[in-house]
Amino acid sequence: QVQLQESGPGLVKPSETLSLTCTVSGGSISTYYWSWIRQTPGKGLEWIGYVYYTGSTNYNPSLKSRLTLSMDTSKNQVSLKLSSVTAADTAMYYCARGVRFAGTPRHWFDPWGQGTRVTVSS
Amino acid sequence: DIQMTQSPSTLSASVGDRVTITCRASQTISGWLAWYQQKPGKAPKLLIYKVSNLESGVPSRFSGSGSGTEYILTISSLQPDDFATYYCQQFHTYSTFGQGTRVEIK
Repeated sequence: QVQLQESGPGLVKPSETLSLTCTVSGGSISTYYWSWIRQTPGKGLEWIGYVYYTGSTNYNPSLKSRLTLSMDTSKNQVSLKLSSVTAADTAMYYCARGVRFAGTPRHWFDPWGQGTRVTVSS
Repeated sequence: DIQMTQSPSTLSASVGDRVTITCRASQTISGWLAWYQQKPGKAPKLLIYKVSNLESGVPSRFSGSGSGTEYILTISSLQPDDFATYYCQQFHTYSTFGQGTRVEIK
């Protein structure tokens, strides 16, 4: 079965770029959407954006100016880069596979990785 | 943005109780709705997709219904493993989640 594992630095300084990687095992990253979602006690679950296996992307408008999602099919990995981070970007970050309803780009998330906690602090 | 509002925020119930959680969207989402269960320290787990389709392996005591802007998750007979937080997610336009409903032991 497909498993997702997020990795990256747990601590990032304000104004720097947060970089995370999601490694997919047990299946190919082709033919699916791959999303990043973050969770904080205050804002709850927030969808960050997705990258499709074709390389196309769609971002949460609130993060679009700072966000880059990409994928490396040779490594079966999906990556997130979020620039100019602030304390508001402190969260648990999850990657999740997007399973789409036949014939549409709309999708739900299954499975999720276990998440990686990121703190933005100097 | 489509806002998702869950009610109640917290629900106290006993084993065997029938439990319902409501999720209201700020505009019609045409059935593009999923439900997730999250336990402390774990990632959310898909329960139901497209309103009422039960994910493989999810017990049949879970069910979903609704249309338009209002959707309901029902647990027909609450079991000890069901005490958790539940989230709805709309995937009509981008994706947004409800704020969660915590189901606690009464």
